[in-house]
Amino acid sequence: DVKVTQSSRYLVKRTGEKVFLECVQDMDHENMFWYRQDPGLGLRLIYFSYDVKMKEKGDIPEGYSVSREKKERFSLILESASTNQTSMYLCASSPTADVAGELFFGEGSRLTVL
Amino acid sequence: KQEVTQIPAALSVPEGENLVLNCSFTDSAIYNLQWFRQDPGKGLTSLLLIQSSQREQTSGRLNASLDKSSGRSTLYIAASQPGDSATYLCAPRQGPSASKIIFGSGTRLSIRP
Repeated sequence: DVKVTQSSRYLVKRTGEKVFLECVQDMDHENMFWYRQDPGLGLRLIYFSYDVKMKEKGDIPEGYSVSREKKERFSLILESASTNQTSMYLCASSPTADVAGELFFGEGSRLTVL
Repeated sequence: KQEVTQIPAALSVPEGENLVLNCSFTDSAIYNLQWFRQDPGKGLTSLLLIQSSQREQTSGRLNASLDKSSGRSTLYIAASQPGDSATYLCAPRQGPSASKIIFGSGTRLSIRP
């Protein structure tokens, strides 16, 4: 089975702190994604990566950056956390960019910024 | 721009019933459509993936159908159980890149024992 692991299930940070959310997948997938999920707004794509060191902005990249130094690991970085970044963050991966690719998600990281 | 609607937003039924969850999308030019379930406070679990060339896909008590021309997909759950209680989301893909997946807002399903 595909496994996507998010290192932190719950985090509480203070405004202005730098926050790292880590995600690791074990199926050699080329594509990795970061979403956030908020009540009434659904899932929104923050960033995605289709290869090591490659990244593209999603729909809401402002206030976030990402890093993909190894194929299996994709990190989301909040340079200076703000209260409006309190949310559920979901990492996902999928096989190479062909039309059949299934999307697999991690368990999520619930971030609270005080 | 693709819009995905899931009706009803919430559904409560007694255990044992067969039920249908609906997903409609405005742009029929999709590559595939994936159904997920999400338990409270958890990530999304993939249930079924239907390719654009397929009409339906089955896994155990679940059957998903796809009618591209009418912009609809349904998820059929047979003999529902309390463990099926969750939010179900559909997600059509608009292009070859997986970044083109659009998520519906989900149907929150509750199965009463």
